Amino acid sequence: DSGVTQTPKHLITATGQRVTLRCSPRSGDLSVYWYQQSLDQGLQFLIQYYNGEERAKGNILERFSAQQFPDLHSELNLSSLELGDSALYFCASTVGSSGANVLTFGAGSRLTVL
Amino acid sequence: AQSVAQPEDQVNVAEGNPLTVKCTYSVSGNPYLFWYVQYPNRGLQFLLKYITGDNLVKGSYGFEAEFNKSQTSFHLKKPSALVSDSALYFCAVRDHPGANNLFFGTGTRLTVIP
Repeated sequence: DSGVTQTPKHLITATGQRVTLRCSPRSGDLSVYWYQQSLDQGLQFLIQYYNGEERAKGNILERFSAQQFPDLHSELNLSSLELGDSALYFCASTVGSSGANVLTFGAGSRLTVL
Repeated sequence: AQSVAQPEDQVNVAEGNPLTVKCTYSVSGNPYLFWYVQYPNRGLQFLLKYITGDNLVKGSYGFEAEFNKSQTSFHLKKPSALVSDSALYFCAVRDHPGANNLFFGTGTRLTVIP
């Protein structure tokens, strides 16, 4: 157990729907990162939050949004879902904002869009 | 932009033999380099990192990596492979100077043959 908790583990939904993925970072970690892992795109960085504020943005679609709450948990919202959004979504956390920090990953949420 | 390349999608090695998983990088400034491993249905686990200092970095589970500035490489090595080392290995680099998120390579699937 890495200490990073992601729910749900598996999610099956239909095109056009909206889902929310949740991440609780490791105790004491202030920074949360979201990554998408798909067969054709590999591991893609989506977005980072640090202590409630957006810190960096990657290849995140406009249909996707995220936030980090005062208790430091984070949610990734995916809307108007398409077949191509089927992927593993990982959350990772670090204690600070140094580039040398090690990212600790959760087990992921597997999203299947039918 | 920073990037890493993993030239081999698949590496097969016999149990007990030394293994090498290759990674080359392209960065501006000083590279912050990482290796992660992903077992089936699990999140990514940190193996080791190079930030500065000794070019030979020792990590978890007997793995090590050699930073080679002239060849812009950061190959992962282990003197004697175990069947349990079979997994997907990712090389990663800090996305850009000042960033905290990582840019991941495409991954190399290592299979250790009994």
